[in-house]
Amino acid sequence: EAGVAQSPRYKIIEKRQSVAFWCNPISGHATLYWYQQILGQGPKLLIQFQNNGVVDDSQLPKDRFSAERLKGVDSTLKIQPAKLEDSAVYLCASSGITGITAEQYFGPGTRLTVT
Amino acid sequence: ILNVEQSPQSLHVQEGDSTNFTCSFPSSNFYALHWYRWETAKSPEALFVMTLNGDEKKKGRISATLNTKEGYSYLYIKGSQPEDSATYLCAFPNYGGSQGNLIFGKGTKLSVKP
Repeated sequence: EAGVAQSPRYKIIEKRQSVAFWCNPISGHATLYWYQQILGQGPKLLIQFQNNGVVDDSQLPKDRFSAERLKGVDSTLKIQPAKLEDSAVYLCASSGITGITAEQYFGPGTRLTVT
Repeated sequence: ILNVEQSPQSLHVQEGDSTNFTCSFPSSNFYALHWYRWETAKSPEALFVMTLNGDEKKKGRISATLNTKEGYSYLYIKGSQPEDSATYLCAFPNYGGSQGNLIFGKGTKLSVKP
């Protein structure tokens, strides 16, 4: 079974530029998560999709971040414009079920550096 | 806001040493606790999901215990090997697990020296 795919793996941009990350979850997984992991911190949920609907985006900085999952499969996370504090690893995860024991399957992440 | 604490932040051991680290979480309204391992440049992978007080799970040389009454879980690695070098994350379901998303601790970074 193919894992969660993410691209690009690394990205360096200047502040105020825009950037987009792509995620393709495990086939058949209805739930997709985007996490932000800043150095020295644990991953923090940005947004959760169930199929193509948003379940939780309470911690997404909506003035600059946006995400979509139009066909309920792959997803794009965008930052526009980027700030220095957006430097982080952006992880995508998917799961086939929801609930307290639901295992999340992660992609390798995109490491973003904003200069 | 739920808080998940992990200690120590980092740990350096010699190959063959056994080691353990701690995850602390709110003991009230416990639902489940997840452990993940994240090797550098790889994807985080699930180790254990624990739900019952007194639960003990094992995978090879790695085991975990759970105390829901006092709000902690221990992860043990017996006879550490260089390939065990990774960041070990614990996570607690948010919103009572109804939506499936997780609140992660900051992790314990383990380095095993050959």
